[in-house]
Parts: sequence; C-alpha cells; structure tokens
Amino acid sequence: KAGVTQTPRYLIKTRGQQVTLSCSPISGHRSVSWYQQTPGQGLQFLFEYFSETQRNKGNFPGRFSGRQFSNSRSEMNVSTLELGDSALYLCASSSGGRAGETQYFGPGTRLLVL
Amino acid sequence: DQQVKQNSPSLSVQEGRISILNCDYTNSMFDYFLWYKKYPAEGPTFLISISSIKDKNEDGRFTVFLNKSAKHLSLHIVPSQPGDSAVYFCAASGRYGGSQGNLIFGKGTKLSVKP
Repeated sequence: KAGVTQTPRYLIKTRGQQVTLSCSPISGHRSVSWYQQTPGQGLQFLFEYFSETQRNKGNFPGRFSGRQFSNSRSEMNVSTLELGDSALYLCASSSGGRAGETQYFGPGTRLLVL
Repeated sequence: DQQVKQNSPSLSVQEGRISILNCDYTNSMFDYFLWYKKYPAEGPTFLISISSIKDKNEDGRFTVFLNKSAKHLSLHIVPSQPGDSAVYFCAASGRYGGSQGNLIFGKGTKLSVKP
C-alpha cells in the first residue's frame, strides 16, 4: 500500500498571501488529520476530517481551514499568511479517526513565509 | 497546559546499550499511547503503541511500559543502534469529546546513539 502523500513538499510565500496544501491518505483510510510542527510548540492539532466533514478542530484562528473530498483526499488552506505560520505541516490518516487507531503521517509540507 | 510531557529534550547513548525515553501525561481520560520516530525533513513514523488495559507491549528491540497510577510511560530500545538516532515523540489519545483524530504530542526527545 502506498503511504500518505503530501504536495508540495516545500513552499515559499510572502506575508498576506494564501496557500493551499494537499494530502492523499492511505487507500481505504477515511480520516485525515492535520498538524502544525514548529520548533517551539511541537506538533499541534489543526483539524480532522472524516467523510467530507470536519469532526474536530484545534485551537487555531479561522485563517486555517480545510476540506475533504469524496475520495478522502484533503486540502488545507491558510489565508493572509503571517511570518509565524512558517512551519512543517503534516497530515496523517487513519481508518476511522477513533481513539485506539494509529495515525500514519505523510512527509509534510515545509512552508516558509517571508 | 501540556497534557503530554517529555522532560528530556535530548539523550545520548552508546551503541549496544539500552535507550530509555520517558513520557508523562496528566489527562486520566487518555487510554491509548503511541511512540513515533522522526528524522529531519520526514514525517513521524509509527513505532509502537500500548492500550491502557496493558502495562507492557513489545516489538522486536522496542518495548513500551505503561504505569497508569503514575501516569508515566517509557520506551526501551535494546540494543541501541546508530540508525535509531532521531527525535522520538510520545502521543496520547482517548475516548472523550473532541478527541476524534486528535493525537496529543509531547515535544520530543532527541536520541543520539554513538558508535
């Protein structure tokens, strides 16, 4: 089985722009979670999608949004980029997103905001 | 307030010896714990997990121990190999509202295994 894939791998944007990141989960997995990793804060949960619905959301501003398509692929969007949004964005998939399920991570998208 | 804590930012071990990575948690609703390994420029790779109904789980060179009364878990790697050098994250989840798809991570411990 192919693993979780994320595109693009690297991205450079300037303040005020917006960005869209893409994630393709493991085949058969219906839950996709997004995380932000920064040196100071570690991995922080952004949101989780299951069957095209956002089921859970972390403590991030509304500039961060996402969606999931019928084939379980997911995108996240960050609008009005700020310098502090520079981070590694990781997506993870699991079969149902329930407690007790292992999440499998993609390689991440490294976003640099100048 | 950090619900999952890895108090040692780094650990250095000689090849062939045991590596012990520690993790503490505060939320008694957590009932599933995972360890991930992360190399630079890659996503975290799942290593091993343990359910709260167990106190030990073993997979090859990796063993995780859970002490629920102390809210503490540890990952033992025996014998340690240079390829084990990476950042190790402890993560937790539970069956409570707002937990779907949400793993709570510690900040990681950087393990260096010296030849």
